Amino acid sequence: EVQLVESGGGLVKPGGSLRLSCAASGFTVSNAWMSWVRQAPGKGLEWVGRIKTKNEGGTTDYAAPVKGRFTISRDDSKNTLYLQMTSLNTEDTAVYYCTIGVGSSDVDYWGQGTLVTVSS
Amino acid sequence: DIVMTQTPLSSPVTLGQPASISCRSSQSLVSGDGNTYLNWLHQRPGQPPRLLIYQISNRFSGVPDRFSGSGAGTDFTLKISRVEAEDVGVYYCMQATQFLTFGGGTKVEIK
Repeated sequence: EVQLVESGGGLVKPGGSLRLSCAASGFTVSNAWMSWVRQAPGKGLEWVGRIKTKNEGGTTDYAAPVKGRFTISRDDSKNTLYLQMTSLNTEDTAVYYCTIGVGSSDVDYWGQGTLVTVSS
Repeated sequence: DIVMTQTPLSSPVTLGQPASISCRSSQSLVSGDGNTYLNWLHQRPGQPPRLLIYQISNRFSGVPDRFSGSGAGTDFTLKISRVEAEDVGVYYCMQATQFLTFGGGTKVEIK
């Protein structure tokens, strides 16, 4: 069974940084496309970025609002996905979900999410 | 960027009756490989989204057959043949042909 568990959320001041983790089980992350998707309070879903498989060079893509500030990476030895967030602003306040595509789509499975609050 | 537009915003339905949600993309979702990467997701209150339908009409593992998807090009539809209480929540269409973008969501609630 594929499971994703996010951690690392919390309260951070504007301009600050935070690193989120997504620990995977039931599938090898290096063999999957994985994405981060966020949801501001009471709002819809917004794609943040993704990382492709190791065989595809682990290429990353990012949405315009986070490009240059957020970095997606992966530790294959820990089977864990990361989202490094810098220069955070109040508009980055959201629940952050990691997702994995294991054969049907880019978003076959979702984690429970971790809340990031950017506030002074 | 591909923009996804869903209608209606809200859909009050009677238990046991059908429901339908429409989704339109700002450009064709047919990919260079010939596939159309249009998915439907369901999010219950307080829960993460879950995948229902992928590539227009394929039900994901464990999804009941009362859910069906159809469409082509830029116009797509999700249908629930007989709404059950567990079907309440917000439904999102999502394209993965060009990065990922989501529709604004349709809230399904019981009358």
